[in-house]
Amino acid sequence: EMQLVESGGALVQPGGSLRLSCAASGFILADYWMTWVRQAPGKGLEWVANIKEDGSVTYYLDSVKGRFTISRDNAKNSLHLQMTSLRDEDTAIYYCARDRNYFDTSAYYDLFDVWGQGTAVTVSS
Amino acid sequence: ATQMTQSPSSLSASVGDRVTITCRASQGIGSDLGWYQQKPGIAPKVLIFAASKLERGVPSRFSGSGSGTDFTLTINSLQPEDSATYYCLQDYNYPRTFGQGTKVEIK
Repeated sequence: EMQLVESGGALVQPGGSLRLSCAASGFILADYWMTWVRQAPGKGLEWVANIKEDGSVTYYLDSVKGRFTISRDNAKNSLHLQMTSLRDEDTAIYYCARDRNYFDTSAYYDLFDVWGQGTAVTVSS
Repeated sequence: ATQMTQSPSSLSASVGDRVTITCRASQGIGSDLGWYQQKPGIAPKVLIFAASKLERGVPSRFSGSGSGTDFTLTINSLQPEDSATYYCLQDYNYPRTFGQGTKVEIK
């Protein structure tokens, strides 16, 4: 069974740091782009960052650029999100998700087809 | 960033009804759009990708259509287990952006 399990969420003070992890099982992490998505309490979904299969390419939401770093360790089948200079507005459930590519005749598409259960990050003094 | 605007923000319908949710992109995104279902306290689940392709294992009462800027998710014959919040997501460019969500309740 394909599974993602996040960990590392905690209560942290504004300006603090936290490292989230996502452990993959049931599939080969190295074969997929991976993504972090967050959801603030009572709010909608927000894409945060993603990373290419080999870790050579990353993209970020503007509001986290320079503060968050996405990385992966394919040998350990794990994904990470290093978060620094945390702000109140970073409070959310953070989900990791597998980014599966679908190839059509002349284009390819992404879908987030496997999700973790989420880990809670609370930024508060 | 490409803004995704969903409507309505919520709706209430009866079992067996046909339900339609729309998503409008602030710029053309081809067919680079997916639909996700989220139930309270649970991670989202993909229903539709590439605007109209049904993810494996998803009931056929769910369908998607549209291209460019206007997209639709249709639920034919609404079931009690379809009570959830539905989000569109564009994968045309970065940052990826979700719609604000549509909460579907069963009367």
